[in-house]
Parts: sequence; C-alpha cells; structure tokens
Amino acid sequence: DAGVTQSPTHLIKTRGQHVTLRCSPISGHKSVSWYQQVLGQGPQFIFQYYEKEERGRGNFPDRFSARQFPNYSSELNVNALLLGDSALYLCASSTLGSGTVYFGEGSWLTVV
Amino acid sequence: SQQGEEDPQALSIQEGENATMNCSYKTSINNLQWYRQNSGRGLVHLILIRSNEREKHSGRLRVTLDTSKKSSSLLITASRAADTASYFCATDGPYSGAGSYQLTFGKGTKLSVIP
Repeated sequence: DAGVTQSPTHLIKTRGQHVTLRCSPISGHKSVSWYQQVLGQGPQFIFQYYEKEERGRGNFPDRFSARQFPNYSSELNVNALLLGDSALYLCASSTLGSGTVYFGEGSWLTVV
Repeated sequence: SQQGEEDPQALSIQEGENATMNCSYKTSINNLQWYRQNSGRGLVHLILIRSNEREKHSGRLRVTLDTSKKSSSLLITASRAADTASYFCATDGPYSGAGSYQLTFGKGTKLSVIP
C-alpha cells in the first residue's frame, strides 16, 4: 500500500507569491494534518482535518489555510509568502483510534 | 511551541554500541511516538507507546515511558551506521475530541553512528 504522498517535492517561490501543497493520505485514513519544519527544529503543527472538518489549528497566521476533499486528500495554501516560510512542509495521516500518525516525505519550500 | 526536549541534542557512538535518547514533556498525554528523520527527508514512524504502558519493544528498539516524571527514553541496541539520523519524540493530548491527533515535537536528537 502507498504511504502518505506529497507534491511537489521541491519548489522555489518569490516573496509575496502564493503556494499550494498537496497531500494524499494512506488509503482508509480520514485524518490529515500539516506540519512546518524549519531547519534545525522539530515539526510544528499547522492544521488538522478529520472527515473534511477542521479539528485543530496551530499558531500560524491567517496566510495559512487548508482544506480536505471528499476523497480525504488535502491542500495547504500559503498566501503572501515571506522568507521565513521557507521550510519543509510535512503532511501526515492517521486513522481513528490507532493513535499512530504516519508522515509523508514532505515538500521543501524555498522563498527567495 | 515545543512540548518537550530531547536529550542529548547530539550523540556520537561507534557501530555496535547502544544509543539512548531521552525525551521530556510538559502536559498530560494520550500517546508518545518516536520518529526517525534522515537528512532532509520525511519522518519515519518507529514506535508508539500509550500513556498506560510502561515499556515497549520493536526489534532493536526499546521505549520506556514514565508518566509521573513526564519522560520517555528510546534505546537502540547494537547500532548500525544506517541508524545515523535525527530522532524525535512526539506527544498528543490531552484528549481533544474524536479523530484529533495534534502532535507536539521536541527539537530532536542527532545520532551519528561511526562505522
């Protein structure tokens, strides 16, 4: 079975631009969450969606938004990019009751 | 904000030795999970231990949890060069509703295993 898949793997954007990152969870997983990991730090929670409803939001500005589709895939959108948004963005999926959270390989975003 | 801290921040050992990493956290938890991350890659799930468990094994991995001290340890026995990576602990909880899994990570321990 495929794991959590993310696209694109790498991208470079200019300050002020917008970016959309995509994620497909493990088959059967209805919970998707997003994390930001800057160099040298642990991942920071951004959003979680379960059954297409937002279940949690971390301490990130309104420039960050996300949604979950009927097939449980998800998008993370970031508007008005800043240099500080350069990071590895990780998507994770889980299934109700297991507690285990599985991560994808991430999308490396560089803002120049 | 970071829930806790891994200790040590960096660890260098010879192949074949055991590696022990510690993790402390601040609030009550449902579960604690350990992950491995190779440079620039995603997180690989290693092991989950629930708040009512004290010890768990998986292959060469042994995890302990002490909820009274809000701490956990990860032991890797007979280390290999391929174990070189960063290791993170992540906690979830307190319980915030069905389907809610919001992990809080520490800064990680960077393990180097020298062949």
